[in-house]
Amino acid sequence: AQSVTQPDIHITVSEGASLELRCNYSYGATPYLFWYVQSPGQGLQLLLKYFSGDTLVQGIKGFEAEFKRSQSSFNLRKPSVHWSDAAEYFCAVGEGGSQGNLIFGKGTKLSVKP
Amino acid sequence: KAGVTQTPRYLIKTRGQQVTLSCSPISGHRSVSWYQQTPGQGLQFLFEYFSETQRNKGNFPGRFSGRQFSNSRSEMNVSTLELGDSALYLCASRAGGGGSYNEQFFGPGTRLTVL
Repeated sequence: AQSVTQPDIHITVSEGASLELRCNYSYGATPYLFWYVQSPGQGLQLLLKYFSGDTLVQGIKGFEAEFKRSQSSFNLRKPSVHWSDAAEYFCAVGEGGSQGNLIFGKGTKLSVKP
Repeated sequence: KAGVTQTPRYLIKTRGQQVTLSCSPISGHRSVSWYQQTPGQGLQFLFEYFSETQRNKGNFPGRFSGRQFSNSRSEMNVSTLELGDSALYLCASRAGGGGSYNEQFFGPGTRLTVL
C-alpha cells in the first residue's frame, strides 16, 4: 500500500536560517508528489508539485523540492526562513489516472525563532 | 477565480444527530474530494465525486456519504454522529477527467465538534 512518511514531527529554526523538511514515500509506480502548507485553522495551500521531468521543482513562497527516485524522497527546502513560514507542512502522494485521492504524511510543524 | 468554498465553517452537534456539509469547487472543476483531518489520524481521504458519480472511496463507515450536483457542488453527510467524528472536514477540487493528473485545491474546511 502507498504511504508517506515525514520523520520530523516538529522542527524549530531561526529566522534567516535554511530549512529542509523530509518526506519519504512508498509507491510502486512513478508518483505524483505534493507539498502543502496549513496555517492554524486554515485549509491546505499547495506549495509545489512533481509530476515528471526535472527532479528539482520550484514552488511558491521561495520553496523548492527535489525528487530522488533512488531514495524514494521528496524533501522540501527553503534557503532563508521567514517568521511567516511558521505552519504545518504536509507531503502527499497522489495516485495516477482517475484516482483523486491523496495520501498524506502526518505533517511537520515548523516553528521559527526570531 | 474564486477558490473552493465550504459552508458552514463551524458546526456543533450532539451525538446521534446527523450533519450535512457543503462544498463549492473552483469554477470549471468537475472533481470534488473530501478529507477528514484529526490530530490522531491526520488527513484521511473520504471519497471523490466526478460528474455526479462517486469515483473513489476511502475506508470509512457507511455513516459517511456524499453526493454531487450537476453544477459540481458537493455535499457530505454524516449520520448518527459519534464523538470521534469531531474533526476538520476539508473539501478539495480539481479539474479531473481526461488522461492527465491534476492537482487538488483545498477549501478552508468545516470544523465539526460533536458533544
